[in-house]
Parts: sequence; C-alpha cells; structure tokens
Amino acid sequence: GQGVEQPAKLMSVEGTFARVNCTYSTSGFNGLSWYQQREGQAPVFLSYVVLDGLKDSGHFSTFLSRSNGYSYLLLTELQIKDSASYLCAVREKDNYAQGLTFGLGTRVSVFP
Amino acid sequence: EAAVTQSPRNKVTVTGGNVTLSCRQTNSHNYMYWYRQDTGHGLRLIHYSYGAGNLQIGDVPDGYKATRTTQEDFFLLLELASPSQTSLYFCASRKLGVSYEQYFGPGTRLTVL
Repeated sequence: GQGVEQPAKLMSVEGTFARVNCTYSTSGFNGLSWYQQREGQAPVFLSYVVLDGLKDSGHFSTFLSRSNGYSYLLLTELQIKDSASYLCAVREKDNYAQGLTFGLGTRVSVFP
Repeated sequence: EAAVTQSPRNKVTVTGGNVTLSCRQTNSHNYMYWYRQDTGHGLRLIHYSYGAGNLQIGDVPDGYKATRTTQEDFFLLLELASPSQTSLYFCASRKLGVSYEQYFGPGTRLTVL
C-alpha cells in the first residue's frame, strides 16, 4: 500500500540474521502486523505490535517506534527455510473494518 | 487453527467470460475479505464483508461483485472478465475484535486470455 514501505529484497547467510524494515505513514496508527508468505502460498500471521520497543518471540522478534513510523522484523539463526517474503501490515483506527493495509513485502533469500 | 478454503485453485477463462471464485471459512469469523495480489502491487483489497448479507467496497472494486450468502461463504464474481484481472486471488477471514490477524485461504490463480 502507499502508506507502508518495505525494501524489495534482502539477502543473508544461513546461521546469521536478517532485519526486515518497514516504514509507514498514517493519521491513526493502531498497530502493525507481520506476515510470512512463501512462494505461491498464502500469507501466514507471525506477530503483532502496538507498543514501542522490542518484542522478543524467539526466532522472530519485532521492534516498533511509533514516533518514527518504523518497525522491523528480526529473524535470528537463519535457516534456508526462512527464505520467503515478509509482509508488513498496518492497522488504522479509521479503517477498523477494512482491517489492514499491506506493504509490498520484502523477499528474503537465505544462502548456505 | 482457522480453516479457509478456496475453489477453484486454478482457473483459465477468456475475455468476456463469467467467473465465480468461492471461499469458505469454518471458524465462525465475522469478517471476510477478497484480495488480489500482483507483482509490484502487493495485496489489494477488492471487497469485504462483516456478516451474511453484508458487502463493503474495498480499494480496487471495479469489475468485481461479491456476495456473502452465509457466515461461512463469500463469493467473488467477475461477470465480464478482462486480461487485467489475471491475478492471484486470496480470501481471508478474521474474528470480530481481532483485526490484526487474518487467516488466508490458499489462493486461486486466475488467468484471463
């Protein structure tokens, strides 16, 4: 979506980490979700953040800075199977029923 | 685990053809959504509904109709298909009050020749 921006691609090495950035602009921010989408498959919900700071969920962690309109998804101890697109999606107060505005996604490629 | 199914999984039609895409969810979710996903555009909302008989217009509704016949079933209709509607279509559902987590179906790949 126009209000949610992500880099198109990211490459990393197995066993290391990858940080997927997301910036957004909205008049009524009400939370941000991250989804994983493997090639040719459906998006799958990973995490939701609404408070500033780091939310550690083990393999996936998320960070949010509402004042900067910025979030990232941190994937640690990367595995080849983490290769996928990661979608950032913003929830807006004025569009509660519509749900989420999605970014275009970042394609993460993990190499041996 | 929420279950959302879509049919058909693949469909080929010709310009001007009539196509119906079906979606069923079995978790009593109130909200259901139809998206299309295209390279360079990401997921774009076509129509959505918050209950049987209800229909709301999304961001890219032109050329599409939708009907929500029951709590479980949501249909997307293309009455005069055009090549620009060639896309990957996803249906999704969510619970009332939990707008950040949507459950997606496996998708329908539609090709309009």
